[in-house]
Amino acid sequence: DTAVSQTPKYLVTQMGNDKSIKCEQNLGHDTMYWYKQDSKKFLKIMFSYNNKELIINETVPNRFSPKSPDKAHLNLHINSLELGDSAVYFCASSQEAGVTETQYFGPGTRLLVL
Amino acid sequence: GQNIDQPTEMTATEGAIVQINCTYQTSGFNGLFWYQQHAGEAPTFLSYNVLDGLEEKGRFSSFLSRSKGYSYLLLKELQMKDSASYLCAGMDSNYQLIWGAGTKLIIKP
Repeated sequence: DTAVSQTPKYLVTQMGNDKSIKCEQNLGHDTMYWYKQDSKKFLKIMFSYNNKELIINETVPNRFSPKSPDKAHLNLHINSLELGDSAVYFCASSQEAGVTETQYFGPGTRLLVL
Repeated sequence: GQNIDQPTEMTATEGAIVQINCTYQTSGFNGLFWYQQHAGEAPTFLSYNVLDGLEEKGRFSSFLSRSKGYSYLLLKELQMKDSASYLCAGMDSNYQLIWGAGTKLIIKP
């Protein structure tokens, strides 16, 4: 069974569109994350979220918004896509926030904005 | 500022030993992680160090020196499947991971 899953795996879309990426974890973890990995391979945290707190990286444009229908899901919605949004987006989860925990990653969503 | 430095690329021979170094600067420190990422795949957890010294786990070992802001990942008896990027990440005082760009390890027969 996949621990952290994301859909879609590949997403090709036009500039200006709105798109969502879904993430689900079946590990029973309390905290989920979204990362962006650019062409230089740096992983940059975008959001971390648990039932109590949403932490937003201040460099993330407000076109990006996380939506969590329940503890096992954290979806990423992107408005008005731009060319620079092209990257691989990874979802991850950990047992809880505010402590040292290993993060488990999903397979990634490869977004290409044309 | 917060920063993680590691070499961009290394090459080693199958069966040999390789050491991948990482230096870190974080706001506070709650440990140092190493992850492995094969091309086109997700990062997977390898090791975690928060105390000084060497942690051994099979063919992989990780070392930490907090006073020097330095860590290394040691891979022994290299296999072709070890060809991957190795990501160093420091956990800051907010328990956020600060990632390096990864070291691409190329294994040659």
